[in-house]
Amino acid sequence: TQLLEQSPQFLSIQEGENLTVYCNSSSVFSSLQWYRQEPGEGPVLLVTVVTGGEVKKLKRLTFQFGDARKDSSLHITAAQPGDTGLYLCAGEAGGSYIPTFGRGTSLIVHP
Amino acid sequence: KAGVTQTPRYLIKTRGQQVTLSCSPISGHRSVSWYQQTPGQGLQFLFEYFSETQRNKGNFPGRFSGRQFSNSRSEMNVSTLELGDSALYLCASSLNPDRGDETQYFGPGTRLLVL
Repeated sequence: TQLLEQSPQFLSIQEGENLTVYCNSSSVFSSLQWYRQEPGEGPVLLVTVVTGGEVKKLKRLTFQFGDARKDSSLHITAAQPGDTGLYLCAGEAGGSYIPTFGRGTSLIVHP
Repeated sequence: KAGVTQTPRYLIKTRGQQVTLSCSPISGHRSVSWYQQTPGQGLQFLFEYFSETQRNKGNFPGRFSGRQFSNSRSEMNVSTLELGDSALYLCASSLNPDRGDETQYFGPGTRLLVL
């Protein structure tokens, strides 16, 4: 059983479209991180959300942490081909120091 | 500042062999974590080392081991390789002074293929 469930698993869209990726859990997380991983590279941290209900913006990317700190979403506005990659959410549940990653959402943005 | 480096980048081994992977963290970072990434299971935590001591361990068999040196460089070893050990092995470092900053910076990984 995956502690962090990501959906959708795959997403193929045209440039200019909007999209939302979800990261859900039945456990409470003290914080959640979002990473982007490109082929042949390690994940790169995009953002960390800490407070329930928190919203953070990074240019065209908007990250939200659920009020109960059990879920998070990533919204991309006007997607560009450069946004192509594997998006991963991660966190440490309930005081554990064991990092858990979702399986990721593979995004392809076609020009 | 140089990023996290991992060597080798690619490796082919046969079943039953053992392998050692190396990771050099960002200068000044004291914590090094290792992960296994496969298409089926995603990214899974192997273990974390801090100041030469294993601080946390994931749910992997004893064939997977690691160590950290006084300069924070780390190695992980997998003995008696199995086909299922084929994966991308990622190392991540963090500053982590008494857990004050846990942002992890990942290396490019070592892709291991077991035949």
